[in-house]
Amino acid sequence: AQSVTQLGSHVSVSEGALVLLRCNYSSSVPPYLFWYVQYPNQGLQLLLKYTTGATLVKGINGFEAEFKKSETSFHLTKPSAHMSDAAEYFCAVSENRGSTLGRLYFGRGTQLTVWP
Amino acid sequence: GAVVSQHPSWVICKSGTSVKIECRSLDFQATTMFWYRQFPKQSLMLMATSNEGSKATYEQGVEKDKFLINHASLTLSTLTVTSAHPEDSSFYICSALGGGASVTGELFFGEGSRLTVL
Repeated sequence: AQSVTQLGSHVSVSEGALVLLRCNYSSSVPPYLFWYVQYPNQGLQLLLKYTTGATLVKGINGFEAEFKKSETSFHLTKPSAHMSDAAEYFCAVSENRGSTLGRLYFGRGTQLTVWP
Repeated sequence: GAVVSQHPSWVICKSGTSVKIECRSLDFQATTMFWYRQFPKQSLMLMATSNEGSKATYEQGVEKDKFLINHASLTLSTLTVTSAHPEDSSFYICSALGGGASVTGELFFGEGSRLTVL
C-alpha cells in the first residue's frame, strides 16, 4: 500500500530564506514521486517529479527535491523563498504499475507562508 | 504542456437539484481520468477512476448513485452530483492521464470546480 506523510501542516519562512518541505512515503514497489503546488481556488500544478534516474530532481520556480530511498524521503527545497511561493504544497506517490498507473496518493499538504 | 479544463469553475445550486461538472483534455487523449474532492484546508480525496468507454471505479465510501461519472470520449469526463445537498458543497478537481506522460503516471489537473449547495 502507498502512503505519504508530510511533516508540518504549516511552514513559515522569511523572504530570501531556505524553504524545506518534508515528505516521507511508504511503497511496496519502486515509486513515482511528485510535488504539486496549489494556489487558492485553483487546481494543482506540477512542480517536479521523480520517476527513474538522477535522484536530485529540479523543477519549476527554482524548486528541487531529492529522492532518498534509504530514508524513504522526497523533501522539497528552494534556496531562497519569494513572496509568490506562498501556497499549499502536496507531495504525492504513485505506483509505476499498469493497472494503477496514475492513481496518486496525496499527503495532507503543507501551507507555506512567506513573510516580507 | 497538456491542458485539462473544467467547467464550470463556480456553481451555486439549490438543495435537491443536480449539477454536472465537465472535465476536458484539450490537447491530448485521456485514457483515464480521476475525480477528486477537496474539503477546505485538506488534501485531495480520490472519489473515482474513469476509463473511456467503461464504468467508473469508485473508492470505498463514495456513493456511485450520488456521484455519477461518465467518460464517453477520450477527451471528456463528466461528474454529476445528483440531488445535491449542502454537505456536497466542496471543491471538485479532475485530472487526466494520457499523452506521453502516461508512461510515467503524471497527471494533468483541471482548475477545479467549487460547488455550493444552498
